[in-house]
Amino acid sequence: DVKVTQSSRYLVKRTGEKVFLECVQDMDHENMFWYRQDPGLGLRLIYFSYDVKMKEKGDIPEGYSVSREKKERFSLILESASTNQTSMYLCASSLRGLVGYEQYFGPGTRLTVT
Amino acid sequence: QQQVKQSPQSLIVQKGGISIINCAYENTAFDYFPWYQQFPGKGPALLIAIRPDVSEKKEGRFTISFNKSAKQFSLHIMDSQPGDSATYFCAATLHMAGGYQKVTFGTGTKLQVIP
Repeated sequence: DVKVTQSSRYLVKRTGEKVFLECVQDMDHENMFWYRQDPGLGLRLIYFSYDVKMKEKGDIPEGYSVSREKKERFSLILESASTNQTSMYLCASSLRGLVGYEQYFGPGTRLTVT
Repeated sequence: QQQVKQSPQSLIVQKGGISIINCAYENTAFDYFPWYQQFPGKGPALLIAIRPDVSEKKEGRFTISFNKSAKQFSLHIMDSQPGDSATYFCAATLHMAGGYQKVTFGTGTKLQVIP
């Protein structure tokens, strides 16, 4: 079974803090993604990576950065957390390839910024 | 810009009834249409998916109906059960030249199946 794990289920941080969210997948997937999930807005793509050290902006990258130093690990960084970044953050991974490959999601990290 | 519109936002269905969730998309380049199911405290998981050259796909009690000309697709859950209570997301996927998928999700439908 594919497993995507996220470092924390719940996190509370103060405004201005630097926040690291870690994601690890164990199925040798090339692609990894970070989404945020907000009520009424669905899942929105923040950043993704299709190879080690490669990253691409998603739809809402402002205020975030990412790092992918190893194939299995993809980190999301909030350089200076703000209250509007309070959200559920979901990591996902998938195989590179043709049409039909699904994304596998982790359980999510609920981040509260006070 | 919301490229995938999903309705309704919430749905209450009696056990044994049919649950129907609708989605509409704009970009005709989308090439794969998955539905994800999310239980509280869990990440979304793929439920069923369809390619645009197929009008219907059925897996057990779950059916996707796809209307390419109308740019609409829907999920039907037959004989709905309390265990189906979850949030459902439709999605539309673009497979990019680099081998990755860019997925656009709908806003989600919270389904409650009451006994």
